[in-house]
Amino acid sequence: QSALTQPASVSGSPGQSITISCTGTSSDVGGYNYVSWYQEHPGKAPKLIIYDVSNRPSGVSNRFSGSKSGNTASLTISGLQAEDEADYYCTSYTSTTTPYVFGTGTKVTVL
Amino acid sequence: QVQLVQSGAEVKKPGASVKVSCKASGYTFTNYNMHWLRQAPGQGLEWVGVMNPSRNSARYAPKFQGRVTMTRDTSTSTVYMELSSLRPDDTTIYYCARESGVLPKPLKSFDYWGQGTLVTVSS
Repeated sequence: QSALTQPASVSGSPGQSITISCTGTSSDVGGYNYVSWYQEHPGKAPKLIIYDVSNRPSGVSNRFSGSKSGNTASLTISGLQAEDEADYYCTSYTSTTTPYVFGTGTKVTVL
Repeated sequence: QVQLVQSGAEVKKPGASVKVSCKASGYTFTNYNMHWLRQAPGQGLEWVGVMNPSRNSARYAPKFQGRVTMTRDTSTSTVYMELSSLRPDDTTIYYCARESGVLPKPLKSFDYWGQGTLVTVSS
């Protein structure tokens, strides 16, 4: 089972918007609306920021938004802030024998 | 508030077993699935398996089938993951994570995570 493909790194200046892509297949991202995104700061546990493609949990900033088109999901961070500097992972439910597949991870740098 | 507190770091020799605990609080323990995931330092996440505390049933990733056992203790709201026949490449951080959505309608995302348990396998 292959991991979902994410860019290794994305950077932006404070206040800018950035988008992270997450590409899978019709067996995972394209087949289900069960894509979620996690933010991970060094030495900390991952934090859920988007679930079911585009829903934000209570308490998560509305600067984070999610979408999906075909086999590719996307996470957009608008109004980039220094605290957004972290690693971001996507995950999707999948019809294969392992029900969850994760992205390769993207390091976001705030310039 | 929801909290998942995991047991401390472990150092094991190849071939040994390790049992990691995850104590839940702040919600009804049997209403949510509990997953185990792992992450090697600087690497991505990997799904290990899931425990349904209500049904006392577990499902494991094929990669770990035969080596992993998940159990629960409802009296202490604790889920356990035991991994046997440890190998050096099992050296990683293990997380428990609650699945969003009340059973029987889980939402297939992970809304609360434990702090992680580092398991080191070395001779």
